[in-house]
Amino acid sequence: QQQVKQSPQSLIVQKGGISIINCAYENTAFDYFPWYQQFPGKGPALLIAIRPDVSEKKEGRFTISFNKSAKQFSLHIMDSQPGDSATYFCAASPGDQLIWGAGTKLIIKP
Amino acid sequence: ETGVTQTPRHLVMGMTNKKSLKCEQHLGHNAMYWYKQSAKKPLELMFVYSLEERVENNSVPSRFSPECPNSSHLFLHLHTLQPEDSALYLCASSQDLGGGSYNEQFFGPGTRLTVL
Repeated sequence: QQQVKQSPQSLIVQKGGISIINCAYENTAFDYFPWYQQFPGKGPALLIAIRPDVSEKKEGRFTISFNKSAKQFSLHIMDSQPGDSATYFCAASPGDQLIWGAGTKLIIKP
Repeated sequence: ETGVTQTPRHLVMGMTNKKSLKCEQHLGHNAMYWYKQSAKKPLELMFVYSLEERVENNSVPSRFSPECPNSSHLFLHLHTLQPEDSALYLCASSQDLGGGSYNEQFFGPGTRLTVL
């Protein structure tokens, strides 16, 4: 199965809170899991990525948690800020292409 | 100009019109992509070019016709489109083909297309 299922579709979080976006996949051949961030009027841009040999990767306030046995991975945004308001896409790759989730529109309320 | 640029940014066309979308990458990459972005849907990969050769066509209707005259430029020629083709069309490039960890895709800002 080549799909990547992303949830929730939209998310509202208070400033300073934790934003959590989840993705699930079926294909065990996937070996690279990036998250892209898209602001209005811009194209998606790589935010953070992980390979399945680690369970967590942290870059500043952004953390990917990866559960290989459950075939799930999630993005956590700590201390969420209004500037984090954007659409977030998870993706997965077996090497030859990216398979995209449907996106999560995140709004951080001041 | 830096990164990936796309023109026009907005396009409104009738179903009988012919128009073209242009993409230019200033990154020295070898692979270029056209994606369709519709609300609440995953990005749909339409076409992939590597070193100016088309390597993938994901069952895209023939009313969309890509052209890659050199490794820096990519066009999407549009004719007799349908209202359901209205979407954001994104161009991306990467150093080489593939979606792996050493092959980050860089996106342009997109062309917002409305078909009346």
